[in-house]
Amino acid sequence: KAGVTQTPRYLIKTRGQQVTLSCSPISGHRSVSWYQQTPGQGLQFLFEYFSETQRNKGNFPGRFSGRQFSNSRSEMNVSTLELGDSALYLCASSLAASGGTTDTQYFGPGTRLTVL
Amino acid sequence: QQQVKQSPQSLIVQKGGISIINCAYENTAFDYFPWYQQFPGKGPALLIAIRPDVSEKKEGRFTISFNKSAKQFSLHIMDSQPGDSATYFCAASSPGNTPLVFGKGTRLSVIA
Repeated sequence: KAGVTQTPRYLIKTRGQQVTLSCSPISGHRSVSWYQQTPGQGLQFLFEYFSETQRNKGNFPGRFSGRQFSNSRSEMNVSTLELGDSALYLCASSLAASGGTTDTQYFGPGTRLTVL
Repeated sequence: QQQVKQSPQSLIVQKGGISIINCAYENTAFDYFPWYQQFPGKGPALLIAIRPDVSEKKEGRFTISFNKSAKQFSLHIMDSQPGDSATYFCAASSPGNTPLVFGKGTRLSVIA
Protein backbone atom coordinates (compact mmCIF):
# COMPACT_ATOMS: atom_id res chain seq x y z
CA LYS A 1 0.00 0.00 0.00
CA ALA A 2 1.39 3.40 -0.92
CA GLY A 3 2.12 5.76 1.96
CA VAL A 4 1.08 9.36 2.42
CA THR A 5 2.39 11.50 -0.41
CA GLN A 6 2.92 15.23 -0.34
CA THR A 7 3.67 17.60 -3.19
CA PRO A 8 5.71 19.53 -3.77
CA ARG A 9 8.57 18.41 -1.53
CA TYR A 10 10.30 21.78 -1.61
CA LEU A 11 8.99 25.24 -2.25
CA ILE A 12 10.54 28.71 -2.20
CA LYS A 13 8.26 31.73 -2.08
CA THR A 14 8.61 35.41 -1.27
CA ARG A 15 6.77 37.40 1.36
CA GLY A 16 3.23 38.31 0.41
CA GLN A 17 2.75 35.43 -1.99
CA GLN A 18 0.39 32.55 -1.40
CA VAL A 19 1.06 28.84 -1.58
CA THR A 20 -0.94 25.63 -1.93
CA LEU A 21 0.34 22.31 -0.64
CA SER A 22 -1.16 18.95 -1.52
CA CYS A 23 -1.54 15.71 0.40
CA SER A 24 -2.73 12.30 -0.79
CA PRO A 25 -3.62 10.03 2.14
CA ILE A 26 -3.20 6.29 2.32
CA SER A 27 -5.94 4.57 0.35
CA GLY A 28 -9.01 4.08 2.56
CA HIS A 29 -8.01 6.70 5.11
CA ARG A 30 -10.67 9.32 5.67
CA SER A 31 -8.96 11.69 8.09
CA VAL A 32 -6.19 14.09 7.09
CA SER A 33 -4.37 16.31 9.57
CA TRP A 34 -1.85 19.04 8.86
CA TYR A 35 1.04 20.07 11.10
CA GLN A 36 3.67 22.76 10.98
CA GLN A 37 7.12 21.69 12.16
CA THR A 38 9.78 24.24 13.12
CA PRO A 39 12.96 23.84 15.18
CA GLY A 40 11.70 26.20 17.86
CA GLN A 41 8.08 25.15 18.21
CA GLY A 42 8.21 21.50 17.20
CA LEU A 43 5.09 19.97 15.70
CA GLN A 44 2.06 22.21 15.87
CA PHE A 45 -1.40 21.13 14.78
CA LEU A 46 -3.00 23.20 12.03
CA PHE A 47 -6.28 21.45 11.22
CA GLU A 48 -7.93 18.11 10.56
CA TYR A 49 -10.38 17.15 7.86
CA PHE A 50 -12.71 14.19 7.95
CA SER A 51 -15.16 13.40 5.17
CA GLU A 52 -14.56 16.81 3.56
CA THR A 53 -15.38 18.68 6.79
CA GLN A 54 -12.96 20.50 9.04
CA ARG A 55 -13.28 18.69 12.32
CA ASN A 56 -10.54 20.36 14.37
CA LYS A 57 -8.55 23.55 14.07
CA GLY A 58 -5.35 24.62 15.76
CA ASN A 59 -4.34 28.08 16.89
CA PHE A 60 -3.16 29.54 13.60
CA PRO A 61 -4.28 32.75 11.87
CA GLY A 62 -6.91 32.72 9.16
CA ARG A 63 -4.19 32.98 6.50
CA PHE A 64 -3.90 29.22 6.92
CA SER A 65 -6.76 27.30 5.38
CA GLY A 66 -7.43 23.89 3.99
CA ARG A 67 -9.92 21.65 2.32
CA GLN A 68 -10.55 18.01 1.63
CA PHE A 69 -11.94 16.48 -1.52
CA SER A 70 -14.34 13.57 -1.92
CA ASN A 71 -11.41 11.21 -2.58
CA SER A 72 -9.90 12.28 0.79
CA ARG A 73 -7.06 14.18 -0.85
CA SER A 74 -6.39 17.43 0.96
CA GLU A 75 -4.84 20.79 0.23
CA MET A 76 -3.71 23.53 2.53
CA ASN A 77 -3.28 27.12 1.52
CA VAL A 78 -1.28 29.88 3.13
CA SER A 79 -1.99 33.39 1.93
CA THR A 80 0.11 36.53 2.37
CA LEU A 81 3.21 34.57 3.33
CA GLU A 82 5.42 35.82 6.14
CA LEU A 83 9.05 34.96 6.89
CA GLY A 84 7.88 33.07 9.97
CA ASP A 85 5.87 30.68 7.82
CA SER A 86 9.09 28.97 6.74
CA ALA A 87 8.71 25.44 8.04
CA LEU A 88 8.20 21.81 7.21
CA TYR A 89 4.51 21.18 6.63
CA LEU A 90 3.47 17.64 7.41
CA CYS A 91 0.33 15.85 6.47
CA ALA A 92 -0.88 12.77 8.33
CA SER A 93 -3.70 10.41 7.50
CA SER A 94 -5.60 7.92 9.60
CA LEU A 95 -8.40 5.45 9.10
CA ALA A 96 -10.59 7.27 11.61
CA ALA A 97 -12.79 4.18 11.58
CA SER A 98 -13.83 4.88 15.15
CA GLY A 99 -14.28 8.57 14.52
CA GLY A 100 -11.67 9.40 17.12
CA THR A 101 -8.15 10.66 16.68
CA THR A 102 -6.54 7.88 18.63
CA ASP A 103 -6.19 5.99 15.38
CA THR A 104 -2.57 5.74 14.29
CA GLN A 105 -1.54 8.72 12.25
CA TYR A 106 0.73 8.04 9.28
CA PHE A 107 2.83 10.96 8.22
CA GLY A 108 4.02 11.98 4.80
CA PRO A 109 7.57 13.24 4.17
CA GLY A 110 6.46 16.86 4.32
CA THR A 111 6.79 19.94 2.17
CA ARG A 112 9.71 22.20 3.05
CA LEU A 113 8.52 25.79 2.56
CA THR A 114 11.05 28.60 2.54
CA VAL A 115 9.78 32.17 2.54
CA LEU A 116 12.30 34.81 1.44
CA GLN B 1 0.87 26.77 26.92
CA GLN B 2 2.92 23.67 26.32
CA GLN B 3 0.72 20.74 27.24
CA VAL B 4 3.41 18.07 26.89
CA LYS B 5 6.90 18.80 28.15
CA GLN B 6 9.69 16.62 26.79
CA SER B 7 13.25 16.25 28.02
CA PRO B 8 16.09 16.22 27.27
CA GLN B 9 16.32 18.25 24.07
CA SER B 10 19.28 16.20 22.95
CA LEU B 11 20.89 12.99 24.10
CA ILE B 12 24.14 11.22 23.28
CA VAL B 13 24.36 7.54 24.16
CA GLN B 14 27.05 4.94 23.62
CA LYS B 15 26.21 1.98 21.42
CA GLY B 16 24.70 -0.73 23.57
CA GLY B 17 23.57 1.71 26.23
CA ILE B 18 20.08 2.67 27.36
CA SER B 19 18.44 5.81 26.00
CA ILE B 20 15.78 7.40 28.21
CA ILE B 21 13.47 10.22 27.13
CA ASN B 22 10.90 11.69 29.48
CA CYS B 23 7.60 13.47 29.00
CA ALA B 24 5.24 15.15 31.44
CA TYR B 25 1.69 16.34 30.90
CA GLU B 26 -0.91 18.38 32.75
CA ASN B 27 -4.18 17.46 31.09
CA THR B 28 -5.64 14.53 33.03
CA ALA B 29 -8.08 13.92 30.17
CA PHE B 30 -5.28 12.56 27.99
CA ASP B 31 -5.77 8.85 27.39
CA TYR B 32 -3.46 8.00 24.51
CA PHE B 33 0.31 8.45 24.57
CA PRO B 34 2.26 7.61 21.40
CA TRP B 35 5.93 8.01 20.63
CA TYR B 36 7.06 8.94 17.15
CA GLN B 37 10.49 8.54 15.55
CA GLN B 38 11.66 10.89 12.82
CA PHE B 39 14.70 10.50 10.60
CA PRO B 40 16.08 13.46 8.61
CA GLY B 41 14.07 14.10 5.48
CA LYS B 42 11.23 11.86 6.62
CA GLY B 43 7.95 12.36 8.38
CA PRO B 44 7.47 11.04 11.93
CA ALA B 45 6.58 7.35 12.21
CA LEU B 46 4.72 5.75 15.09
CA LEU B 47 7.09 3.75 17.25
CA ILE B 48 4.98 2.59 20.19
CA ALA B 49 1.92 3.82 22.08
CA ILE B 50 0.34 3.27 25.48
CA ARG B 51 -2.95 3.93 27.23
CA PRO B 52 -3.18 4.74 30.96
CA ASP B 53 -4.68 1.40 31.93
CA VAL B 54 -1.21 -0.18 31.82
CA SER B 55 2.03 1.00 33.42
CA GLU B 56 4.41 -0.43 30.86
CA LYS B 57 4.44 -1.59 27.27
CA LYS B 58 7.34 -3.25 25.53
CA GLU B 59 7.98 -3.82 21.84
CA GLY B 60 11.36 -5.25 21.07
CA ARG B 61 14.03 -2.90 22.39
CA PHE B 62 11.52 -0.09 22.99
CA THR B 63 9.59 0.27 26.25
CA ILE B 64 7.13 2.91 27.43
CA SER B 65 6.82 3.39 31.17
CA PHE B 66 3.73 5.25 32.33
CA ASN B 67 3.13 6.86 35.73
CA LYS B 68 -0.45 8.09 35.90
CA SER B 69 -0.21 9.68 39.35
CA ALA B 70 2.89 11.65 38.39
CA LYS B 71 1.47 12.42 34.93
CA GLN B 72 4.69 11.28 33.33
CA PHE B 73 5.69 8.77 30.72
CA SER B 74 9.03 7.80 29.29
CA LEU B 75 10.60 5.93 26.41
CA HIS B 76 13.44 3.52 27.07
CA ILE B 77 15.55 2.22 24.21
CA MET B 78 17.58 -0.78 25.30
CA ASP B 79 20.82 -1.78 23.57
CA SER B 80 20.81 1.50 21.62
CA GLN B 81 22.22 1.25 18.11
CA PRO B 82 23.58 3.90 15.71
CA GLY B 83 20.52 3.23 13.54
CA ASP B 84 18.36 4.54 16.40
CA SER B 85 19.86 8.01 15.92
CA ALA B 86 16.81 10.15 15.15
CA THR B 87 14.50 12.69 16.71
CA TYR B 88 11.87 11.26 19.05
CA PHE B 89 8.57 12.94 19.86
CA CYS B 90 6.16 12.06 22.60
CA ALA B 91 2.52 13.01 22.11
CA ALA B 92 -0.82 12.80 23.84
CA SER B 93 -4.48 13.09 22.99
CA SER B 94 -7.77 12.97 24.86
CA PRO B 95 -10.87 10.99 23.96
CA GLY B 96 -13.04 11.95 21.03
CA ASN B 97 -12.01 13.87 17.98
CA THR B 98 -9.11 15.78 19.51
CA PRO B 99 -5.75 16.30 17.84
CA LEU B 100 -2.42 14.97 19.05
CA VAL B 101 -0.34 17.35 21.16
CA PHE B 102 3.38 16.82 20.65
CA GLY B 103 6.40 17.39 22.84
CA LYS B 104 9.19 19.44 21.28
CA GLY B 105 11.34 16.43 20.47
CA THR B 106 14.60 14.84 21.57
CA ARG B 107 17.48 14.45 19.17
CA LEU B 108 19.17 11.15 19.97
CA SER B 109 22.68 10.35 18.77
CA VAL B 110 24.02 6.87 19.36
CA ILE B 111 27.78 6.75 18.97
CA ALA B 112 29.92 3.67 18.46
